[in-house]
Amino acid sequence: QLQLVESGGGVVQPGGSLRLSCGASGFSFRNYAMHWVRQAPGKGLEWLAFIRHDGSHEYYVDSVKGRFTISRDNAKNTLFLQMTSLRAEDTALYYCAKDKTFRIKGYIDSWGQGTLVTVSA
Amino acid sequence: DIQMTQTPSSLSASVGDRVTITCQASQDITNYLSWYQQKPGKAPKLLIYDASDLGTGAPSRFSGGGSGTHFTFTISSLQPEDIATYYCHQYDNLPFSFGQGTKVEIK
Repeated sequence: QLQLVESGGGVVQPGGSLRLSCGASGFSFRNYAMHWVRQAPGKGLEWLAFIRHDGSHEYYVDSVKGRFTISRDNAKNTLFLQMTSLRAEDTALYYCAKDKTFRIKGYIDSWGQGTLVTVSA
Repeated sequence: DIQMTQTPSSLSASVGDRVTITCQASQDITNYLSWYQQKPGKAPKLLIYDASDLGTGAPSRFSGGGSGTHFTFTISSLQPEDIATYYCHQYDNLPFSFGQGTKVEIK
């Protein structure tokens, strides 16, 4: 059974850093592109970042470009999101999501349960 | 960047009603559009992909249509368990983007 389990969330001060992880199981992780999506409290979904199956290409929404880095370790079936220079507006539930394919024009077909990041002094 | 305008932001309908949500893309996205259902406190769930294909396990009362810039999502007969927020999502051009969401309630 496919599972995506996020971890690493918590409370961090403005300007601080945090590294989120997403452990994948139940599918061949190395064959699929992956995404990070976030949801601020009471708000809608915001797509953040994408990484191809082999880690060869990464893409970001402008609001996190230069501050967040998506990466993956296919040997450990794990997706990461390194977040730096955190701001109050980064407070959100962060979801790891699996793409249907390895290519860019694929849709998200599975989601984790999310990990909460709170940026506050 | 492609903007997705989803309407309405909320709606209230009776059990058994036909419900339609629209999503307008700021540029042509062919049929690279999916729809998700999110219940309170839960992760989103895929309902429709490639604009009109039903996701695995999604009930047949859900359907999608459209292409280019105008898309629709329809619940043919609203059920109590359909109370949720629904989002469209374009995956044609990076950065990908979601609509603002439509909250569906029972009248």
